[in-house]
Amino acid sequence: AQSVTQLGSHVSVSEGALVLLRCNYSSSVPPYLFWYVQYPNQGLQLLLKYTSAATLVKGINGFEAEFKKSETSFHLTKPSAHMSDAAEYFCAVSVSVRFDRGSTLGRLYFGRGTQLTVWP
Amino acid sequence: NAGVTQTPKFQVLKTGQSMTLQCAQDMNHNSMYWYRQDPGMGLRLIYYSASEGTTDKGEVPNGYNVSRLNKREFSLRLESAAPSQTSVYFCASNSRSYNEQFFGPGTRLTVL
Repeated sequence: AQSVTQLGSHVSVSEGALVLLRCNYSSSVPPYLFWYVQYPNQGLQLLLKYTSAATLVKGINGFEAEFKKSETSFHLTKPSAHMSDAAEYFCAVSVSVRFDRGSTLGRLYFGRGTQLTVWP
Repeated sequence: NAGVTQTPKFQVLKTGQSMTLQCAQDMNHNSMYWYRQDPGMGLRLIYYSASEGTTDKGEVPNGYNVSRLNKREFSLRLESAAPSQTSVYFCASNSRSYNEQFFGPGTRLTVL
């Protein structure tokens, strides 16, 4: 079974401080991993994704995440927080599901989200 | 390309009323999904469709029905709305490239 755990439902940092959002996953197969960001009253936007090409993944807006297989982690970081980073962040693991009829489907399992607050 | 579009953006229903949430994508994706988002719960999968003509239940299907009308459109129907269905509903479609999902802007539904 697949699951995603995000440690800390709320994280607060000062502007200019390091941002660290934690994500641990469980997966029975090598996963694809994603971080999505949701700004207030908007849909989900892809921040970055791990596809097994490189363990350190760079995304938009200065974010990056490192895949650590031994720790089953995919933590999100940004060296210097900006006020515009205030949003909710979701970690997700994707696996392919094969049906008897031969088709396959990509299924995403989400963590519960981490609300990031940035103080001036 | 518009990506994934959803209508309506907002809706208020009374208990027992019915409605259909519409979703369309113009990326030629085979797979489409409906999620609901509730505070502290993340996104939970309601139904999904691996391809045109097929649909399957997700984690929280009770009280909902879906129709995959064609490759582009995937609708979600509430036959008899309940206050527990007050939520934000997101439609998504799936690229075969690493299973990346693309999300619509959401529908905010309130059931009184």
